[in-house]
Amino acid sequence: GESVGLHLPTLSVQEGDNSIINCAYSNSASDYFIWYKQESGKGPQFIIDIRSNMDKRQGQRVTVLLNKTVKHLSLQIAATQPGDSAVYFCAENMRSSGSARQLTFGSGTQLTVLP
Amino acid sequence: KAGVTQTPRYLIKTRGQQVTLSCSPISGHRSVSWYQQTPGQGLQFLFEYFSETQRNKGNFPGRFSGRQFSNSRSEMNVSTLELGDSALYLCASSLAGQGNTEAFFGQGTRLTVV
Repeated sequence: GESVGLHLPTLSVQEGDNSIINCAYSNSASDYFIWYKQESGKGPQFIIDIRSNMDKRQGQRVTVLLNKTVKHLSLQIAATQPGDSAVYFCAENMRSSGSARQLTFGSGTQLTVLP
Repeated sequence: KAGVTQTPRYLIKTRGQQVTLSCSPISGHRSVSWYQQTPGQGLQFLFEYFSETQRNKGNFPGRFSGRQFSNSRSEMNVSTLELGDSALYLCASSLAGQGNTEAFFGQGTRLTVV
């Protein structure tokens, strides 16, 4: 079946650098995407979302880019800090779900911020 | 405003037993979804409830069930526990009934089956 996948399972960046976490999705019926951050022992924390009628959305230090042509999603974190170290998941909600919510998650990327 | 609250945080059960997990959504949120997270399978959708009705169900056996009360609180039940049911069970709440709105997760219930 179709699912959301991530390009890299781990990513290490220097403190202060920008981070880019990628996600590929294969379900063209998906119309809503969310990025989550999960720290050890905690539940996923909502970071930012984007709807399929947009190609870019910015938050505080984070930007999500959506390329529907190649079915690619990315999360950019500016000036990465030690507190950004966590596992990052992308999730999609399929339009076919109608009003119902059924998020399909990628496998996650472990971001490690080096001092 | 309180976040999503899941109880208990940790649970140890024996094979064959049953377990009930509870989730209190953010005040005003009417949609509650449940997910299972394991190292091997990642985060997988179990089911979603909205206004006390199950709207969507994932590919899990009938041993996994749930319900939602009139105050939007939800419970999920797993009967005849198996070792493979050991996982972090997460619930997420959403404000509106639409699929394209933010979903906020609780801390999860860590279930260990021995």
